[in-house]
Amino acid sequence: EVQLVESGGGLVQPGRSMKLSCAASGFTFSNYGMAWVRQAPTKGLEWVATISYDGSSTYYRDSVKGRFTISRDNAKSTLYLQMNSLRSEDTATYYCTRGGFGLLHPWGQGVMVTVSS
Amino acid sequence: DIVMTQGALPNPVPSGESASITCQSSKSLLHSNGKTYLNWYLQRPGQSPQLLIYWMSTRASGVSDRFSGSGSGTDFTLKISSVEAEDVGVYYCQQFLEYPLTFGSGTKLEIK
Repeated sequence: EVQLVESGGGLVQPGRSMKLSCAASGFTFSNYGMAWVRQAPTKGLEWVATISYDGSSTYYRDSVKGRFTISRDNAKSTLYLQMNSLRSEDTATYYCTRGGFGLLHPWGQGVMVTVSS
Repeated sequence: DIVMTQGALPNPVPSGESASITCQSSKSLLHSNGKTYLNWYLQRPGQSPQLLIYWMSTRASGVSDRFSGSGSGTDFTLKISSVEAEDVGVYYCQQFLEYPLTFGSGTKLEIK
């Protein structure tokens, strides 16, 4: 069974950093691109970033470019999202999902990130 | 960016009736390879989103055949025949023709 388990969320002050992790199992992680999608409280889904299967290509939405970094460790079957200079508008549940070119399936259970002083 | 616009449903929908959710894209999602880069997801209350339909009309594994997707290059429909209680949630369309990937704002389905 494919499983994606996010961790690393919590409360963080504006301007600080946080790193999310997503542990993958049940499939050959190194064969798939991966993505992060977020959902602000009571809002819709918003794509954040995508990384290719080998980490050679990355894509970001404009609002996080230069602040967020998506990366992966294929030896550990783990996806990461390093988030710097966090803003209140980054407050959301962050989902890890398999899908290098946009066909997103499956999704993890999500991890909440709250940016507040 | 490609803007995805979803229509609303006349909630609540009586159990056993059919429901159609519309989605419109600001740019054709029909690629030169003949595929349409449009997906549908369902987010049940308190759960993560799940893939229902990909390439506009292909059902994901395990998805009931009550769900069907159709459309053209810019106008799409997700039809749910004979809605059931388990269909309650928010439905999202999403384009993956180009980055940034974009979603519609969601369409809520309630059952009577």
